[in-house]
Amino acid sequence: GDSVTQMEGPVTLSEEAFLTINCTYTATGYPSLFWYVQYPGEGLQLLLKATKADDKGSNKGFEATYRKETTSFHLEKGSVQVSDSAVYFCALSDGNTGGFKTIFGAGTRLFVKA
Amino acid sequence: DAGITQSPRYKITETGRQVTLMCHQTWSHSYMFWYRQDLGHGLRLIYYSAAADITDKGEVPDGYVVSRSKTENFPLTLESATRSQTSVYFCASRRSGGANTGELFFGEGSRLTVL
Repeated sequence: GDSVTQMEGPVTLSEEAFLTINCTYTATGYPSLFWYVQYPGEGLQLLLKATKADDKGSNKGFEATYRKETTSFHLEKGSVQVSDSAVYFCALSDGNTGGFKTIFGAGTRLFVKA
Repeated sequence: DAGITQSPRYKITETGRQVTLMCHQTWSHSYMFWYRQDLGHGLRLIYYSAAADITDKGEVPDGYVVSRSKTENFPLTLESATRSQTSVYFCASRRSGGANTGELFFGEGSRLTVL
């Protein structure tokens, strides 16, 4: 079945450091890919998405490119801030099933130190 | 715009008791979902609903019951709570048809502790 694998955390960075969180997926169809962010004590919210191969999603300085050849959707940010400390989830929604179900990775906790 | 609200936000109960977690959305989204979040497992789908009176099992449905008599409400009931059901529960909704972008909209979560 479809699945999402993302790098284990926690990831600890200093402010202004470069961030990469790896995400790979397995899917039989043509999924849409998402990154969600969860701030402490809150629900998840969409950070960015990409719906087809080679699309780049971007938001709040974060970027991720849909790489079909490597089945990856790695999250990057050039200069992290303390306010970026959160848990990040990679997810896919399978278009072949009407995008009915969303499958999440285990989440990666990011700590950014001042 | 109230969005999607869950109640209670925090609940402590005892093994064997029945617990109902409420979820209410104001957008009239057709699809609604219940997930549980556990360390190391990410989010796992418990039940989902495509419309009023249409529900189906997700990945981990055992021990849970749902209903959807109205589009805006999707309660989750633990009929006889067990310690393994200690978790944070998230309700989510999604648009349907041409407005669907695949994005899920989440409530703030309900933290349940079963003693």
